[in-house]
Amino acid sequence: EDQVTQSPEALRLQEGESSSLNCSYTVSGLRGLFWYRQDPGKGPEFLFTLYSAGEEKEKERLKATLTKKESFLHITAPKPEDSATYLCAVQASSRGNKLVFGAGTILRVKS
Amino acid sequence: KAGVTQTPRYLIKTRGQQVTLSCSPISGHRSVSWYQQTPGQGLQFLFEYFSETQRNKGNFPGRFSGRQFSNSRSEMNVSTLELGDSALYLCASSLGMTGRNTEAFFGQGTRLTVV
Repeated sequence: EDQVTQSPEALRLQEGESSSLNCSYTVSGLRGLFWYRQDPGKGPEFLFTLYSAGEEKEKERLKATLTKKESFLHITAPKPEDSATYLCAVQASSRGNKLVFGAGTILRVKS
Repeated sequence: KAGVTQTPRYLIKTRGQQVTLSCSPISGHRSVSWYQQTPGQGLQFLFEYFSETQRNKGNFPGRFSGRQFSNSRSEMNVSTLELGDSALYLCASSLGMTGRNTEAFFGQGTRLTVV
């Protein structure tokens, strides 16, 4: 069974204090690993897709990396507007477009 | 380019009633998936449609059903509502079902409250 575990559950940072979020996964035949950002009461906003171990993608203050067992979302010099829940999901090659999500990491950045 | 549109945004229903939620995918996208999000269970996959055919189904009771139309728009229906069906229902659209066409983009969701 495909599984995704995210840590920590919650993270409080001071503005400018860099950190990383972890996503550990088990999946039979990974097609892709997805990162989303979700604000309260809204739908998840697509950030990145990673397809193979060693791949990295960047967007503004965010950088996602992938290994064969986990993915990291690095946040460099965060700002208060980066506060949100960050969700990780995996998609298996044999199960269509179905995404299996982790529980998310709630990030709070204080100024 | 318009995103995924879900209607209505909010619904309040009584136990035992049924409800229909609507999703219009991004123009050109042919795959639509539905998810249920609750504080206790997180985001869980309901089902997926492509070319008007259900391609994948999650572990939900038969009270949850869906369909897709020829223009790729999709609806999901929940019959005999229970209090536990209160949740944010999210629709995601993807270009296709193979290779790198499977990136999923979500709508804002429909907040269903069952009283």
